[in-house]
Amino acid sequence: DGGITQSPKYLFRKEGQNVTLSCEQNLNHDAMYWYRQDPGQGLRLIYYSQIVNDFQKGDIAEGYSVSREKKESFPLTVTSAQKNPTAFYLCASSMASSSYEQYFGPGTRLTVT
Amino acid sequence: QKEVEQDPGPLSVPEGAIVSLNCTYSNSAFQYFMWYRQYSRKGPELLMYTYSSGNKEDGRFTAQVDKSSKYISLFIRDSQPSDSATYLCAMRRKAAGNKLTFGGGTRVLVKP
Repeated sequence: DGGITQSPKYLFRKEGQNVTLSCEQNLNHDAMYWYRQDPGQGLRLIYYSQIVNDFQKGDIAEGYSVSREKKESFPLTVTSAQKNPTAFYLCASSMASSSYEQYFGPGTRLTVT
Repeated sequence: QKEVEQDPGPLSVPEGAIVSLNCTYSNSAFQYFMWYRQYSRKGPELLMYTYSSGNKEDGRFTAQVDKSSKYISLFIRDSQPSDSATYLCAMRRKAAGNKLTFGGGTRVLVKP
């Protein structure tokens, strides 16, 4: 059963703590992406990776960090430097950076208080 | 000003009606256009993809692109309660890899 998994579905943290969101795919996709979704703002790209051990900043990378040590995994760390971390985070993957179709995971709702 | 504008709705229609959604964009470099459907608290799923001006049909769905007006539309015929979701338009430039720019999404409610 192929797809993208994100865990956990809901995550609660205290302000000032770093938190890591998990994203795993078994689609054998080369490219992976992290988006943030806020009400009324659609999806905004945080980071993306086209191959293992390489990643690029998206439009709103400040306060976030990623790693891509394995093809199937692309974890996102929300650091304490992110001023408004409460949001819905979506991970996606695609066959290649030129592929138009991105497959999305179910998302993680992060709440920081 | 956002690169891609989309009315947030909500758009409420009776079952069986045609749902009409649209997005406008400001950057003529956008060449590829997509519509995603997102159910509440789920990840988006691709509905339609097109890269040329004109219409593209897939079952009850029709995507329309007018590059001269920088305007895209999605029509859903014979709408069903299961079509109730948020619909997101997305676009990408030819030389931008797979970096997508999304509209804010329109929430649609189809009432039985």
